[in-house]
Order: sequence, then C-alpha cells, then structure tokens
Amino acid sequence: AQKITQTQPGMFVQEKEAVTLDCTYDTSDPSYGLFWYKQPSSGEMIFLIYQGSYDQQNATEGRYSLNFQKARKSANLVISASQLGDSAMYFCAMREVSNTGNQFYFGTGTSLTVIP
Amino acid sequence: NAGVTQTPKFQVLKTGQSMTLQCAQDMNHEYMSWYRQDPGMGLRLIHYSVGAGITDQGEVPNGYNVSRSTTEDFPLRLLSAAPSQTSVYFCASSPPVTSGGPLSYNEQFFGPGTRLTVL
Repeated sequence: AQKITQTQPGMFVQEKEAVTLDCTYDTSDPSYGLFWYKQPSSGEMIFLIYQGSYDQQNATEGRYSLNFQKARKSANLVISASQLGDSAMYFCAMREVSNTGNQFYFGTGTSLTVIP
Repeated sequence: NAGVTQTPKFQVLKTGQSMTLQCAQDMNHEYMSWYRQDPGMGLRLIHYSVGAGITDQGEVPNGYNVSRSTTEDFPLRLLSAAPSQTSVYFCASSPPVTSGGPLSYNEQFFGPGTRLTVL
C-alpha cells in the first residue's frame, strides 16, 4: 500500500484565490511527522510546513496552512492568496521512526499552476 | 553553512560504467538519504543512514551502494550503470527525531540534485 497518496496530478488556481492540495497517508504508528515540500521548475526542494501527529493545532506558516484530520489520515495543504510564484510541484511526505526503520515517504506530487 | 552539497550537477555515463555521486553536509545531521526522482513517480528512497557506520536500504536499492564513514559524507555508488538509472538524484539530511519536549520529526534539507543520463 502507498504510504502517501496525492490524487491530484495537476491543479489550476486563479491568482489571489486559495487552493487546497490533497494528501492522505497510511501508517499504524501513533507517532509520525507530516511535511510539505515545494519544487519549482528550477528543481530545488523547499520545505514549507510540518505537522506532528500529536500536535493539537493545525500548522501554519505564512500563507501556508496544513489541514490535519488525523482520523481521516489526511494532511491537506492550503495555500491562501495564490501568487504566480506558487506555480510548482508540491510533495507531501511523512516521517516514521519505528522498529523497522527511520524513513521519509513521499507522494507522487501535485503540479500547481497559478493563472494570472 | 553550505548546507547539503552534491557533485556533480550533471553526468552522462555509458551503460556498464561505474561512478560515485558525492553528498556532503555541514550541519552535523545524523540522518542522510538518497532519492531518485522520475517523472510521475515522486521521490523514491534508495538508501539511508542514521549515523556513521549505519546504512539501510530504501524502496529502490538495487544497483546502488552506499557507505557512511563520517557524519558529513554519504556517497552513492552506481556499480554498473544502466539506462533505467537515468534520473535526477537528490541527497538529503535531517536532524534526528527530537524529544525532551514536544516530539519533533525534523524536516529534511535537500541538496541541489544531480541529473544523471545513462546511454
């Protein structure tokens, strides 16, 4: 089974609108971390936001927020007031530390295009 | 701090050649990893290390070797290159999961990537 599932290969959003990028995860561990990364066309991986499984509040970083629904195992990224520079690939990731390993798992990504 | 550095940035190999992709970090991170990125497949873990002298396999380890003799360096060796290994390779490092307060699964810091083509 996939550890991280991103079901939206491509998304479009109008500039200044908000957009939600979906992410669901699969783990039986009660303790884990969830991350979102941005990859612009230049290729570097940029860390955006982190949510711990025991965090009570949804994480926020500027225009980014993480809509964490633990029971549904979803960790959607919300970008408010989209800007042209937000056009990029976005990857959801999870870190688990267990008896079987210490790994990060990545989804296949969502390509976001911001339309002027 | 230079962060995570990778060399070379670009490389073209012929089938059967071997080479080493270099990765170094100056943040004293215990955790280091190698990924390959292929279109439509996201990042797939090749090998990772939780400290000097300790390595483990990820999702796609075949055809690759790693070693971790120091905290700073984590080279990836292609033993006999194949066209299927044409990809972009990323090295990343991370502090360990920290406790003592709220448990924190610290993020990874990525290198700029190496674009490898095998003919």
